[in-house]
Amino acid sequence: GDSVTQMEGPVTLSEEAFLTINCTYTATGYPSLFWYVQYPGEGLQLLLKATKADDKGSNKGFEATYRKETTSFHLEKGSVQVSDSAVYFCALSDQDYGNNRLAFGKGNQVVVIP
Amino acid sequence: NAGVTQTPKFQVLKTGQSMTLQCAQDMNHNSMYWYRQDPGMGLRLIYYSASEGTTDKGEVPNGYNVSRLNKREFSLRLESAAPSQTSVYFCASSGVKGNQPQHFGDGTRLSIL
Repeated sequence: GDSVTQMEGPVTLSEEAFLTINCTYTATGYPSLFWYVQYPGEGLQLLLKATKADDKGSNKGFEATYRKETTSFHLEKGSVQVSDSAVYFCALSDQDYGNNRLAFGKGNQVVVIP
Repeated sequence: NAGVTQTPKFQVLKTGQSMTLQCAQDMNHNSMYWYRQDPGMGLRLIYYSASEGTTDKGEVPNGYNVSRLNKREFSLRLESAAPSQTSVYFCASSGVKGNQPQHFGDGTRLSIL
């Protein structure tokens, strides 16, 4: 079945540092790919998405490019702020009409230190 | 702009008690979902409803039941709560196409003693 793998462990970095969170996927069809963010005590919020190969999703300074050849959707931000501290989830959804179940990665805790 | 509303936000139960978690969405979405979130496990799908009148099991359905009351509301019931069901529960909704994101509620934090 479809699955998403995120890099292990929390990520701790200093303010203004460059952030990368790796995400790779396995899917039989042509999935849409998503990054969600979860702030403490809250639900998940959509951060960005890409629906086909070579699409780049972007929002709030974060970017991710849908790479079909490497089955990846890595999240990047050039200069993080303390307010970016959160848990980040990569997810995929089958493109078929009527089937919008998401497969989630296990998430990465990001801690930004002033 | 309410989006997805879950009630209650917090609940403590004793083992063997029952309760129903409520979820309502105001985005006219056809599909709704229940997840549980546990440390180190990410989100796991319990049940989902692709459209009004249908429900299907997800990854971890044992010990739970659901009801799609109407297009807006999707409830999750624990008939006989167990400590292993201590978790944070999230409801979500979406359109039916795979490129449409899911929208999440703020969660219910459930502790079972």
